[in-house]
Amino acid sequence: DADVTQTPRNRITKTGKRIMLECSQTKGHDRMYWYRQDPGLGLRLIYYSFDVKDINKGEISDGYSVSRQAQAKFSLSLESAIPNQTALYFCATSPRDRTYEQYFGPGTRLTVT
Amino acid sequence: SQKIEQNSEALNIQEGKTATLTCNYTNYSPAYLQWYRQDPGRGPVFLLLIRENEKEKRKERLKVTFDTTLKQSLFHITASQPADSATYLCALQEAGSYQLTFGKGTKLSVIP
Repeated sequence: DADVTQTPRNRITKTGKRIMLECSQTKGHDRMYWYRQDPGLGLRLIYYSFDVKDINKGEISDGYSVSRQAQAKFSLSLESAIPNQTALYFCATSPRDRTYEQYFGPGTRLTVT
Repeated sequence: SQKIEQNSEALNIQEGKTATLTCNYTNYSPAYLQWYRQDPGRGPVFLLLIRENEKEKRKERLKVTFDTTLKQSLFHITASQPADSATYLCALQEAGSYQLTFGKGTKLSVIP
């Protein structure tokens, strides 16, 4: 986990606010991912990025946007937070030649009131 | 519709016994199937991967089997210990896709 860090670890925000979650990695991996985890629903992919100029939508991208500022940094934004975006958010990375092997950060617990 | 199902939400076993967790899928053709461990408040940790042309994989006390006919993977922990208590997730990736799809997980409790 220490190779993939996420900030903040916990955040409470109000409906309608813009919020950014940040992810940094020192693994040197090209590929980065954002997931959300909800009780009873498992992990679902929001966005993924193969490199700085290649960003792709995942299963549940509506209401989210991302920015890949550098190979090591991938940020997730909620433009106007709503209560059903309350969840645990994970960033992950994978090497270019082994995308199936993903390394997760410690997660950000986001609560939207 | 596509589904990944892990047989139970929770499994309790006695220390020293073998824990067996099941992952079933429908309407997928996975090239890879993986198992992750997740502890409370932490991110999943990659444990083992098995390819579609492999029947079995082992790593220390862990064993994974993959039956593409039954569309099922079994994950075994032998000589289980209380430290093995965690939630275990299966995940699959289809050929040509870069996305992992996760099951909801099975929470394993090993009782001393």
